Amino acid sequence: SFELTQPPSVSVSSGQTASITCSGDKLGDKYVHWYQQKSGQSPLLLIYQDSKRPSGIPERFSGSNSGNTATLTISGTQALDEADYYCQAWDISTEVVFGGGTKVTVL
Amino acid sequence: QVTLRESGPALVKPRETLRLTCTFSGFSLNTTGMSVSWIRQPPGKALEWLARIDWDDDKYFSKSLKTRLTISKDTSKNQVVLTMTYMDPEDTATYFCARVHSSSAPYFDYWGQGALVTVSS
Repeated sequence: SFELTQPPSVSVSSGQTASITCSGDKLGDKYVHWYQQKSGQSPLLLIYQDSKRPSGIPERFSGSNSGNTATLTISGTQALDEADYYCQAWDISTEVVFGGGTKVTVL
Repeated sequence: QVTLRESGPALVKPRETLRLTCTFSGFSLNTTGMSVSWIRQPPGKALEWLARIDWDDDKYFSKSLKTRLTISKDTSKNQVVLTMTYMDPEDTATYFCARVHSSSAPYFDYWGQGALVTVSS
């Protein structure tokens, strides 16, 4: 079955760039979407179709997808970006699949 | 303005059936292309997709839970109902409903606040 793998945690200094990876077999052939979930809240759509930002999402969030890896990049990371981040894709064998989530800590 | 809200029991006993209702506004499941999904999240764990129902009443289920799930809609009430049979303590989770965008490569653009369901005797 299709699976998405994320690092459990990423630490980044305030103002620096954080990169969160999401890997899966031939992931570049699929659309990847990203969600941000702050503690006690519902997930928020952050990036859809690899690199598009919904209205209201700051430009410091960007996404890319190629080969077997999709990447969410947070430029100029702020304290308020501390959250769990999930990638998500669709595969014919498993329908919707989520990654295991990455906890971002801002130092 | 799109909103979704989950409702249902906070506590169920093992082997009982869970029934959750998602009441939404700001869109209609009579509209071509619209869909609603259920997703759950055990405490401290990752998101897990459960099921989806489309405007044309097509239904899709997680392969691992398919035998225990049913999903239905009442377009007159703007509601989607999920039932899960034979509840187990491992089914303890926050259950979210979410609007699905783009049925060909779906993603979830609006989410409810979630309903915590605890399975315990």
